[in-house]
Amino acid sequence: NAGVTQTPKFRVLKTGQSMTLLCAQDMNHEYMYWYRQDPGMGLRLIHYSVGEGTTAKGEVPDGYNVSRLKKQNFLLGLESAAPSQTSVYFCASSNFEYEQYFGPGTRLTVT
Amino acid sequence: AQSVTQLDSQVPVFEEAPVELRCNYSSSVSVYLFWYVQYPNQGLQLLLKYLSGSTLVKGINGFEAEFNKSQTSFHLRKPSVHISDTAEYFCAVSYTGGGNKLTFGTGTQLKVEL
Repeated sequence: NAGVTQTPKFRVLKTGQSMTLLCAQDMNHEYMYWYRQDPGMGLRLIHYSVGEGTTAKGEVPDGYNVSRLKKQNFLLGLESAAPSQTSVYFCASSNFEYEQYFGPGTRLTVT
Repeated sequence: AQSVTQLDSQVPVFEEAPVELRCNYSSSVSVYLFWYVQYPNQGLQLLLKYLSGSTLVKGINGFEAEFNKSQTSFHLRKPSVHISDTAEYFCAVSYTGGGNKLTFGTGTQLKVEL
């Protein structure tokens, strides 16, 4: 039981490049989330999903897209990376109104 | 809209001393409350949660928190800290029927010194 895993762990992009972050969970959770963590700002919700095939915007969705084609996977895409998207990205999953389980994070640097 | 305030960005404390990390929230509806801990270069781990029932909640590693509805607070306490408790602590709130979305505070860095 791996819990929540994220791929890759580190990535460096140049401005304008695109990439996809993969989140996978093996707990059969319905809900999945993408957050970004920046110093002094806590974690902010980017997008989330309440079930396979659904997605919704969070607090800071601009510049990101997501897809949930399979229940266990939640993908976060950056179509044209900007330096402002340099951050640590965390994926989480949960079942209904219980605690969220977090992945180890992806550290992204955009130069 | 919900919000969470963690007034102390850093809390230095000596080993074996007690500590309290403060958390206040604002919400017009019933809430669920959480404390998470983040060790360096790691993800977040749940310390404890309040969903309903007893207002005193006990968590892992000897931590506890008390839900105070009238003061809209959920302060985290430990009677005697250890060096290994050095980490960043986040308070978070979600509300019933809200898709379980969490709103986080900005975090409190607990530094335990010898």
